[in-house]
Amino acid sequence: DTGVSQDPRHKITKRGQNVTFRCDPISEHNRLYWYRQTLGQGPEFLTYFQNEAQLEKSRLLSDRFSAERPKGSFSTLEIQRTEQGDSAMYLCASSLEATTGAAFFGQGTRLTVV
Amino acid sequence: AQSVTQPDIHITVSEGASLELRCNYSYGATPYLFWYVQSPGQGLQLLLKYFSGDTLVQGIKGFEAEFKRSQSSFNLRKPSVHWSDAAEYFCAVAAYTGNQFYFGTGTSLTVIP
Repeated sequence: DTGVSQDPRHKITKRGQNVTFRCDPISEHNRLYWYRQTLGQGPEFLTYFQNEAQLEKSRLLSDRFSAERPKGSFSTLEIQRTEQGDSAMYLCASSLEATTGAAFFGQGTRLTVV
Repeated sequence: AQSVTQPDIHITVSEGASLELRCNYSYGATPYLFWYVQSPGQGLQLLLKYFSGDTLVQGIKGFEAEFKRSQSSFNLRKPSVHWSDAAEYFCAVAAYTGNQFYFGTGTSLTVIP
């Protein structure tokens, strides 16, 4: 068990470019979450997968954002036509499907849009 | 709607002193409660969790938290703070379905020698 892994750790992109982040959850965890965290704030929920099914999406997840989890393993989060307001830390977490499943977080991807 | 309030934005304590970080939640049913710690530039590490049973829960690094339903609180405590405890602390609440975790805005802890 190597924990939740996120790649890249840092990404600097120009406004208008597309970016994609990857998350590899803990292997036996079938739930996967994406959160966004801006400076001085707690993480805000973006979306949640159970296996390969995307079951919930926040209103924060505009149509420029898309997340996938093919085959219920790793997940990708893509942001199209990035804006400066997208600059944030993007956190991935995973948990077991159970009523006692705490979420375990990766170290995050820091996105800076210039 | 579910929400978490951490009233203290920033707390400073002396090394060796006791610590209490406050957390109040709003949730319509029995909540699942968590405390996480985040060091600069890092992800969140789970300190402890409460689901049911004994309202005083023990976590890692010598932390404990007490669930008080009547006060809708889940305060984090540590009897003697170490310099390495300096970090950002987040309280979170989740439904039993575990489909979403709601976080507070965090409390930044500074430890002075």
